[in-house]
This record gives sequence, C-alpha cells and structure tokens, in this order.
Amino acid sequence: SAVISQKPSRDICQRGTSLTIQCQVDSQVTMMFWYRQQPGQSLTLIATANQGSEATYESGFVIDKFPISRPNLTFSTLTVSNMSPEDSSIYLCSVSDRSGGAFFGQGTRLTVV
Amino acid sequence: GENVEQHPSTLSVQEGDSAVIKCTYSDSASNYFPWYKQELGKRPQLIIDIRSNVGEKKDQRIAVTLNKTAKHFSLHITETQPEDSAVYFCAARGNAGKSTFGDGTTLTVKP
Repeated sequence: SAVISQKPSRDICQRGTSLTIQCQVDSQVTMMFWYRQQPGQSLTLIATANQGSEATYESGFVIDKFPISRPNLTFSTLTVSNMSPEDSSIYLCSVSDRSGGAFFGQGTRLTVV
Repeated sequence: GENVEQHPSTLSVQEGDSAVIKCTYSDSASNYFPWYKQELGKRPQLIIDIRSNVGEKKDQRIAVTLNKTAKHFSLHITETQPEDSAVYFCAARGNAGKSTFGDGTTLTVKP
C-alpha cells in the first residue's frame, strides 16, 4: 500500500483566511481524492484531483472555495479559502488504484475561529 | 450518483459474540465494495474488500458477503474482541474510482 504524508496535521485559523493542505505519496498513483469528515460523521468527497487538468468537484463544492492542484502523480494540495467556522472539519487526502481500495493520509484537523 | 445506506448506526455486543453490519447501494455499475475501520482520532483503514464477481470473502475473523441482485453487502466479525471497537464504514466504487461511503457503524465490544 502507498505511504501518504499529509500536512499540516492540525491548524487553528482565523475566519477569512486560507489554508493549504499538502498530500505527498511515496509512489505514483493514478487517482487522488480529497474528502471532508465532520466530527462523528462519514466521509464526503470534495473532489478528484486530476494530474495535468482541473479537479473534478462533487455537488456542493466549488473551485473558488476549494482550489486543488495536482502537478504530478505523487503530490496534491487542497486550499480551503475564505474560511468560516463551518469549514471546521477533518480533511483527508486519499489515493487508490483501479485494483484496490482507498488509502488515506492522516488527516488535517482544521478549526476556524 | 451512488447512494450507500448502512445499518445499524450503533452496535453493541459482548466479547466473543458476532457482529454484522449491512449496507445497500443504488448504482448497479458499482463493482468494488471495501470496508474501513476507523479508530478514534485516526484515519480510516481498509480491512477487507469484495469485488462484484465474488459472493463471499474471508480473512480470519472477518468476512464480507455480496448480493449483486439485491444490491447489498455485509460485514461479519466473529469472536469479537474489545480491540474491534471502532467505527466501521462500507463503501461502493465504480470504474471512475471514487468511493461513496455509508454513514458508519459504531461498534462497541463489551469485555
């Protein structure tokens, strides 16, 4: 399985600011995804990070709020922009290949004050 | 899009008993069904999976069954131990590679 490093592990941010989360994988992977998990709830897919092209966003998530970069097959970033307290959550990057399940980074616990 | 329903939301069993968690999915194109265990404060971890061309898969104390016709799949844990206590998520995935997760089941194994 891939080793995924995600950082920061946690942050406390002021409302109106932005935070960029980084995800580094130790091997090239085709698919990378960004999820949000609010306390006590399930995982909700934000977007699929596409290498070399714009990310594909799920319903309810937009590029202006959650811009994503994926410059190569081992790295991606998710930015949470113009944050409000409602953005407080755990953000997880995930990778998978066509033959296997998803593997997750350790998550970024974001608190917006 | 895909919709995954998971039941029960909470499950409490005595150590040594069996636990069963059930999920249904809506998209007949889904062909891969993983199960994840998430301990408090940690990331979800893949524990077992099943593909649409298989009806059952076992790995020691855990097993998963799939009924494609009825669009449901289940996780079975036998001889439960306190360390099995966690939140379990089912998921369904199609060829696009993205997974839709169930709402989770909080399993408590009482010693």
